[in-house]
Amino acid sequence: DVKVTQSSRYLVKRTGEKVFLECVQDMDHENMFWYRQDPGLGLRLIYFSYDVKMKEKGDIPEGYSVSREKKERFSLILESASTNQTSMYLCASSPGGVNTEAFFGQGTRLTVV
Amino acid sequence: GDSVTQMEGPVTLSEEAFLTINCTYTATGYPSLFWYVQYPGEGLQLLLKATKADDKGSNKGFEATYRKETTSFHLEKGSVQVSDSAVYFCALRGKAAGNKLTFGGGTRVLVKP
Repeated sequence: DVKVTQSSRYLVKRTGEKVFLECVQDMDHENMFWYRQDPGLGLRLIYFSYDVKMKEKGDIPEGYSVSREKKERFSLILESASTNQTSMYLCASSPGGVNTEAFFGQGTRLTVV
Repeated sequence: GDSVTQMEGPVTLSEEAFLTINCTYTATGYPSLFWYVQYPGEGLQLLLKATKADDKGSNKGFEATYRKETTSFHLEKGSVQVSDSAVYFCALRGKAAGNKLTFGGGTRVLVKP
């Protein structure tokens, strides 16, 4: 069965901290994505990756960076957490190709205080 | 850039009513189109997809037709059940490198008995 695992369901961090959100997939997928989900705004793409060490900015990359050193793992980094980064973060993976389905993790609800 | 616009909710219906959720898109070339669903407390999962013009995707009684001339992919179900209460997301996947996956704002549907 397909599995995308995010390291934490709930996280509370302080303003200014460096925060790491981890995502692991077990399907040998080429593509991985990070989104944030906010009420009324839907899912907004932060970064995505289509190969190891490759990354592309999404629609809202400011304040975030990513790392993909191994195919199965895609990390989202908040360099200096701020309260406006309080949100639900969703990771997804998919095979390469325009017609393929993306599989989502359960999400990490991050609160920055 | 790519974008997806869908009707805002919440949409409140009685059981057995007809459901339509409008979705229009802007994209370069001919993307693939998807509907994802998020049930309460769960992650996103694929509901249906269409990969070329005039294709009809269907699943669980839901249908959507890829209309290139109106750049639309409206979701319909003839008779909803309480268990259809969820948030529905329209999405497109473009052909550029990495096949970026872009979502609309989501539509919350509440079906009352």
